[in-house]
Amino acid sequence: AQTVTQSQPEMSVQEAETVTLSCTYDTSESDYYLFWYKQPPSRQMILVIRQEAYKQQNATENRFSVNFQKAAKSFSLKISDSQLGDAAMYFCAYRSIGDMRFGAGTRLTVKP
Amino acid sequence: DAGITQSPRHKVTETGTPVTLRCHQTENHRYMYWYRQDPGHGLRLIHYSYGVKDTDKGEVSDGYSVSRSKTEDFLLTLESATSSQTSVYFCAISESFREYQETQYFGPGTRLLVL
Repeated sequence: AQTVTQSQPEMSVQEAETVTLSCTYDTSESDYYLFWYKQPPSRQMILVIRQEAYKQQNATENRFSVNFQKAAKSFSLKISDSQLGDAAMYFCAYRSIGDMRFGAGTRLTVKP
Repeated sequence: DAGITQSPRHKVTETGTPVTLRCHQTENHRYMYWYRQDPGHGLRLIHYSYGVKDTDKGEVSDGYSVSRSKTEDFLLTLESATSSQTSVYFCAISESFREYQETQYFGPGTRLLVL
């Protein structure tokens, strides 16, 4: 079974600073997709960014970017210019044919 | 935001009673999913559907059944609820045939407490 590991249960960042959330995964598949989801206190799961495994270029969405290292099976999320609204649980997710796995989550606190 | 609603949003029930959660979508997406979220586990897939009357098991399907009689509705049933099924349940949808390539969009969640 594929596994997704988020080794940082909690992270903290100062407003306007940059923070990186870590994610590693285990798979024998060559074709898969990776996602970061944000879950604010409202509990709604919100897609932050996605990365196709066949693409070497790292995905970017405004202040959010990923560092995708396929050989190392690493998929970290970088949040630049952190804002108070970024405070939430962040989940890394892996998806391949017939399989969807989530990490246990990282709780991000943003300090004013 | 994807048009996904879940009902009820909160429910308290007693051990041994049947419970049905409903997921309704207005996006006409083919795939629908049920997850449960528990501390330390992230989200775990219970069942999913790839079309009307077409369903399959996920990672934690024991004690749950599902039905999909219409494209827009996906029901999750706990035949005889147990305290271990206390959780937050999320429905999700995705669009295309190559489902694993598609982003899943999530509903607002249902908080279930089994006493």
